[in-house]
Amino acid sequence: KAGVTQTPRYLIKTRGQQVTLSCSPISGHRSVSWYQQTPGQGLQFLFEYFSETQRNKGNFPGRFSGRQFSNSRSEMNVSTLELGDSALYLCASRIPLAGGTDEQFFGPGTRLTVL
Amino acid sequence: QKEVEQDPGPLSVPEGAIVSLNCTYSNSAFQYFMWYRQYSRKGPELLMYTYSSGNKEDGRFTAQVDKSSKYISLFIRDSQPSDSATYLCATSGGSYIPTFGRGTSLIVHP
Repeated sequence: KAGVTQTPRYLIKTRGQQVTLSCSPISGHRSVSWYQQTPGQGLQFLFEYFSETQRNKGNFPGRFSGRQFSNSRSEMNVSTLELGDSALYLCASRIPLAGGTDEQFFGPGTRLTVL
Repeated sequence: QKEVEQDPGPLSVPEGAIVSLNCTYSNSAFQYFMWYRQYSRKGPELLMYTYSSGNKEDGRFTAQVDKSSKYISLFIRDSQPSDSATYLCATSGGSYIPTFGRGTSLIVHP
């Protein structure tokens, strides 16, 4: 079974531009979560989509938005890019684990550099 | 203060050493404790998870949780160069959204 895929893998943008990242979850998984990973802050939750609806949202400004399509593929958009948005953006789908929590399956990430 | 604190390292050890990786957390509501491993240019993958306090062993890996001191540990026995990666601890409570530490970079040299 194919894993979580993300495109593009690398992206270079300049301040003020906007960017759209794409994620396809594991086949059959209906939720997609997005995370931002930086050396200083680590892995931080952005938002989660399930069946085309945003179900949870982290503490990020409104410049970060997303959507999910009927085939469970998801896109994340960042508008008016800032230097501090340079990060690895990871998407994940999840399955329940025995005992009550979930396992997150991560894609390889999109490395965004803002100049 | 972050909810989950983890020393970023790097931690450099010789092959065969016992490695101890640690995290502390602040929210006593956390009940699930996970360790993810992230190789360079890859996303994190789940290594082990435990519920509440206690130990869990899987091959060369042992996860330990002490809820009284809010301390999470991962021990790697007979470490191998292939164990070189970043190890992230994560916790969650009633919500399935995990809170991650910053990750510790481990280097096992031959």
